[in-house]
Amino acid sequence: EIVLTQSPGTLSLSAGERATLSCRASQSVTDNYLAWYQQKPGQTPRLLIYGASTRAAGIPDRFSGSGSGTDFTLTISRLEPEDFAVYYCQQYGFSPVTFGQGTKLEIK
Amino acid sequence: QLHLVESGGGVVQPGRSLRLSCAASGFTFSTYGMHWVRQAPGKGLEWVALIWYDGSEKHYADSVKGRFTISRDNSKNILYLEMNSLGAEDTAVYYCARELNRCFDSWGQGTLVTVSS
Repeated sequence: EIVLTQSPGTLSLSAGERATLSCRASQSVTDNYLAWYQQKPGQTPRLLIYGASTRAAGIPDRFSGSGSGTDFTLTISRLEPEDFAVYYCQQYGFSPVTFGQGTKLEIK
Repeated sequence: QLHLVESGGGVVQPGRSLRLSCAASGFTFSTYGMHWVRQAPGKGLEWVALIWYDGSEKHYADSVKGRFTISRDNSKNILYLEMNSLGAEDTAVYYCARELNRCFDSWGQGTLVTVSS
């Protein structure tokens, strides 16, 4: 199975700053079937990005995804207070579906 | 309005069984692959199982293979997860999720399964 490793484990930033989250795959993700989710405490995951770089419906344009092959990045251009949460990457280019372990984005 | 509503969770003794349900509404259920994803307390997301839109194929995580069975009733718009031989490691919130573009665009609110004596 494809192992996804997210870094850093925790990212401490202030509102207004730029956040860069990384997701590295143990082998190439077929057709860039890589997605990003946001999860706030007590809430269900919310799809942000799919196909490595396509924003899901209703997602603000401060969220962007990039990358291909084994290295992917989620960038939040200017952090808003509501962006502090845990972020997961997920791949389904190769069965089974796998998730990264998550990056916690916390307020500095 | 798309809705996925899980039910059937609760406290169960080790070795016992439980069946989860996920009622779907607001979309054409029979045209989508559906998944179960779980999250142990304080932990990350773990994919559990997948069933194709017509039920013709099913796939499982190694951690549940041989113990869990995913199924669906497209006439009732319901997804199921039959869980047998439950252990403490199965304690988690179980989410049903709709697959679109090889990812999960809609999630239920989750149902908590606690395996404890």
